[in-house]
Amino acid sequence: DQQVKQNSPSLSVQEGRISILNCDYTNSMFDYFLWYKKYPAEGPTFLISISSIKDKNEDGRFTVFLNKSAKHLSLHIVPSQPGDSAVYFCAASAMDSSYKLIFGSGTRLLVRP
Amino acid sequence: SQTIHQWPATLVQPVGSPLSLECTVEGTSNPNLYWYRQAAGRGLQLLFYSVGIGQISSEVPQNLSASRPQDRQFILSSKKLLLSDSGFYLCAWANTEAFFGQGTRLTVV
Repeated sequence: DQQVKQNSPSLSVQEGRISILNCDYTNSMFDYFLWYKKYPAEGPTFLISISSIKDKNEDGRFTVFLNKSAKHLSLHIVPSQPGDSAVYFCAASAMDSSYKLIFGSGTRLLVRP
Repeated sequence: SQTIHQWPATLVQPVGSPLSLECTVEGTSNPNLYWYRQAAGRGLQLLFYSVGIGQISSEVPQNLSASRPQDRQFILSSKKLLLSDSGFYLCAWANTEAFFGQGTRLTVV
């Protein structure tokens, strides 16, 4: 049972344009959501997070939007840069879950120069 | 600042051999510790987590085990590796965010 889903395995965008990565979840107990970026043969690095009490969180070029009613979140990268090319994982956790993060399957983003 | 060390970076082991991957955390006490695996072309699967010394929770039934002999040490083990154990193994510690080690690429041949 996949509780966190990233239905797009890959995404290609032109440098300077917006990248939108999507994530859906099924567990209504999730109350904290995160995005991670991963390069090959390296551990994931934390990008940005959002609590369920918010619907938007912004950090520089990265913005995460949360739609609780739809159980959907998205990561917007504006403007996209070639260095953003990586695999992006969405993750979720529930209160009192020992901070266990449940990850989606990832979306590979390619930003074309 | 907190750092997490994981070794080795790569490992090639024959089927049936034992496994021991070690992870240590510095700069924090009583961290929640986790082992994840990324199989080829797949996402990050939580294998084990630990909220304290000697406390291990297993998320999926498998050929692996975990131990936490010290507060900041987390070990992933197997008595006999299977081909299906190949993958990229990641140790992490978490507060609200999780911070990952560099990973171990395990190839079972």
